[in-house]
Amino acid sequence: DGGITQSPKYLFRKEGQNVTLSCEQNLNHDAMYWYRQDPGQGLRLIYYSQIVNDFQKGDIAEGYSVSREKKESFPLTVTSAQKNPTAFYLCASSIGQFTDTQYFGPGTRLTVL
Amino acid sequence: AQSVSQHNHHVILSEAASLELGCNYSYGGTVNLFWYVQYPGQHLQLLLKYFSGDPLVKGIKGFEAEFIKSKFSFNLRKPSVQWSDTAEYFCAVSWNNNDMRFGAGTRLTVKP
Repeated sequence: DGGITQSPKYLFRKEGQNVTLSCEQNLNHDAMYWYRQDPGQGLRLIYYSQIVNDFQKGDIAEGYSVSREKKESFPLTVTSAQKNPTAFYLCASSIGQFTDTQYFGPGTRLTVL
Repeated sequence: AQSVSQHNHHVILSEAASLELGCNYSYGGTVNLFWYVQYPGQHLQLLLKYFSGDPLVKGIKGFEAEFIKSKFSFNLRKPSVQWSDTAEYFCAVSWNNNDMRFGAGTRLTVKP
């Protein structure tokens, strides 16, 4: 069953802690993305990666970091430097960067206590 | 910076009414255009897309969208909505295969 998995579904973090969100895909896609979804603001791009060991900042990369050591995996770390981290985070993948249909995961809702 | 505007934040319709959701984008060269839908409790998924050719694009579930280059618009339409169309709809645009933005989304509520 091909697709994108994100874990955990819900995540709670204390202020000042870093937290890592998982994203795995078995679609053999080259490109992967992380978005943040806030009510009334749509999806905003945090980071994206076209190939392994390469990634680029999106519009709101400050306070976030990523890695792409394997084609299937694109974890996102929300650092303590992110001023307003409470949000819904979506991971996506596509065959080509920005040119093809993106397939989305179920999302992770992060709440900072 | 490039931008995508969806003018309707929340649309409420009765079943069988016609639907048109607006999407406008800023100029920036060659564009690829998408509409995505997020049904309650489900993943965001593609409704339809335009890359080139016929500017009237047909998607799933009876949806269509028209690319009007002169107006920088890609409005989504459906002649007769159903209760199951209740969802949030997002317009997305990529420019020159190098940048991508999503609109803020339009929440559609269809009353049975």
